[in-house]
Amino acid sequence: DTEVTQTPKHLVMGMTNKKSLKCEQHMGHRAMYWYKQKAKKPPELMFVYSYEKLSINESVPSRFSPECPNSSLLNLHLHALQPEDSALYLCASSQGLAGSTDTQYFGPGTRLTVL
Amino acid sequence: AQSVTQLDSQVPVFEEAPVELRCNYSSSVSVYLFWYVQYPNQGLQLLLKYLSGSTLVESINGFEAEFNKSQTSFHLRKPSVHISDTAEYFCAVISGTYKYIFGTGTRLKVLA
Repeated sequence: DTEVTQTPKHLVMGMTNKKSLKCEQHMGHRAMYWYKQKAKKPPELMFVYSYEKLSINESVPSRFSPECPNSSLLNLHLHALQPEDSALYLCASSQGLAGSTDTQYFGPGTRLTVL
Repeated sequence: AQSVTQLDSQVPVFEEAPVELRCNYSSSVSVYLFWYVQYPNQGLQLLLKYLSGSTLVESINGFEAEFNKSQTSFHLRKPSVHISDTAEYFCAVISGTYKYIFGTGTRLKVLA
């Protein structure tokens, strides 16, 4: 099973709202990722968690706040977003970061619209 | 610096015709290469990957790609496409780190 699930599938929020995106995998993977994808563009890496600790933050604004409650779950908390943050948010996981052969498996994404 | 180039932003092709989607990379060290497919309003699905060994890799749905080190290429091919193959295809490379470097994507449009 190579499934990564994400909820919700769609989310519409105002600029003053607080919301969260959720990602879950049960493959025993120890690395999880958040990506942002704008229309007709490749995914852009936002955060990397390894063994439930934040490894990489690609200079993402603080209005995006990741959280890794356990090895299977990864959340992305959203607060005071801007309309330009509207995008498809993708979660991915891999066995680890130990080597270059760690294939990433992606979830279906959450389509976020900020009004 | 590593980079991935997908020169063709869009490739139209008639159903049952062959197709090649081009991917070239630049890296001075060993690379690992991937093709992902993204159907409309969906996430990325791994199509195939080259990590080591045989330079020709195949997917379960008829796609294949060949790693060519001398030409720094990893082109994706299918001998006969179906309407259902219409999607965005991304080439990606890992070289030395965990971080994927994605190409800009190629939109394959299969025409009836």
